[in-house]
Amino acid sequence: GAVVSQHPSWVICKSGTSVKIECRSLDFQATTMFWYRQFPKQSLMLMATSNEGSKATYEQGVEKDKFLINHASLTLSTLTVTSAHPEDSSFYICSARAPGGAIYFGEGSWLTVV
Amino acid sequence: EDQVTQSPEALRLQEGESSSLNCSYTVSGLRGLFWYRQDPGKGPEFLFTLYSAGEEKEKERLKATLTKKESFLHITAPKPEDSATYLCAVVLNQAGTALIFGKGTTLSVSS
Repeated sequence: GAVVSQHPSWVICKSGTSVKIECRSLDFQATTMFWYRQFPKQSLMLMATSNEGSKATYEQGVEKDKFLINHASLTLSTLTVTSAHPEDSSFYICSARAPGGAIYFGEGSWLTVV
Repeated sequence: EDQVTQSPEALRLQEGESSSLNCSYTVSGLRGLFWYRQDPGKGPEFLFTLYSAGEEKEKERLKATLTKKESFLHITAPKPEDSATYLCAVVLNQAGTALIFGKGTTLSVSS
């Protein structure tokens, strides 16, 4: 079946540094990818919608200058958390819409900012 | 306001005890309803997509159904490995809109 891969699975970074998370659709082209954030025991919170070749659409309350999203190709979207702070520590998950309409998720990336 | 509500929040079953999870929705235009399974610390695993009322899909011990107001995920003779959080989400008619998730039902199956 369709697979969406995220990398890294988990990362620890120092406060004030930036970290990049990659999301790849491995066996289909995804014109639209989505980035979510999930807090413990809560459901997924949509951060932004990423369309290939255009600027991402951010949800209300999500800082676009802090969470940089790039969707440079039909199989790759990246989320860069800039000037990370401990409160940015979370589980970040991407998803990609396959041509048939199904939406597949990556395995998620755990970010810990120390 | 578009909304997805799942019930119950948590469900404990004995192995072999069949039950159903509910997902009710009030949205402006449904394009599709998705069921996912999520294990702790992992991304959601795709289970089903339903597009129209009356549609049903099955996979092993799981069966998903859809009406105009809600969807059910029926679990027949569950096993401990079915323990997980089951998420329901909808996509609206507008092109490119993301999934709107319910809060999930956490299922625990004991042997």
